[in-house]
Amino acid sequence: AQKITQTQPGMFVQEKEAVTLDCTYDTSDPSYGLFWYKQPSSGEMIFLIYQGSYDQQNATEGRYSLNFQKARKSANLVISASQLGDSAMYFCAMRYNFNKFYFGSGTKLNVKP
Amino acid sequence: EAGVAQSPRYKIIEKRQSVAFWCNPISGHATLYWYQQILGQGPKLLIQFQNNGVVDDSQLPKDRFSAERLKGVDSTLKIQPAKLEDSAVYLCASSLAQVKDEQFFGPGTRLTVL
Repeated sequence: AQKITQTQPGMFVQEKEAVTLDCTYDTSDPSYGLFWYKQPSSGEMIFLIYQGSYDQQNATEGRYSLNFQKARKSANLVISASQLGDSAMYFCAMRYNFNKFYFGSGTKLNVKP
Repeated sequence: EAGVAQSPRYKIIEKRQSVAFWCNPISGHATLYWYQQILGQGPKLLIQFQNNGVVDDSQLPKDRFSAERLKGVDSTLKIQPAKLEDSAVYLCASSLAQVKDEQFFGPGTRLTVL
């Protein structure tokens, strides 16, 4: 069964605007972690932000914030003030059952000037 | 601080041949991961080491793939014999611990099987 669902294969956003990338997950494990990674065309995976299942507040890292809605099992990534350098693939990932990791299929973000 | 190193960066082989990839994690990182990323998909975890012990290899095709992490530092991933469907980027990542810590990824090895 698929553990992570990213329903947006591709998205466009205007430079300087905010954009939300969707991620829903499925696990019965009460303790889990959610990650977002960025993969530019060069191929390296870059860690952006982490949210633990017991964290009370939504995680934020600079222009990145994670909209964590536990009851809905969603962990959307919000990028504020988009920049041209934000154009990349974005992957949502989950750690569950302590040592299992599962990545979603990704969303390709294109930032238009 | 040096990042995760991988070699080679590119490899082209014919089906049924063997191939090996090497990974050197960030110094002090106890946990090491190997992922397979097929074009257009997210990375799939193949195997996870904690120091030199295997924590999870449930998605490793053990009839043809093997991996080891001698002395709890460097790691090698081997495919023998390779199939066409093994064409992918093989990513190595490391982290300080398993739980919260982010994974740092290497540049990957792009394998093409002809």
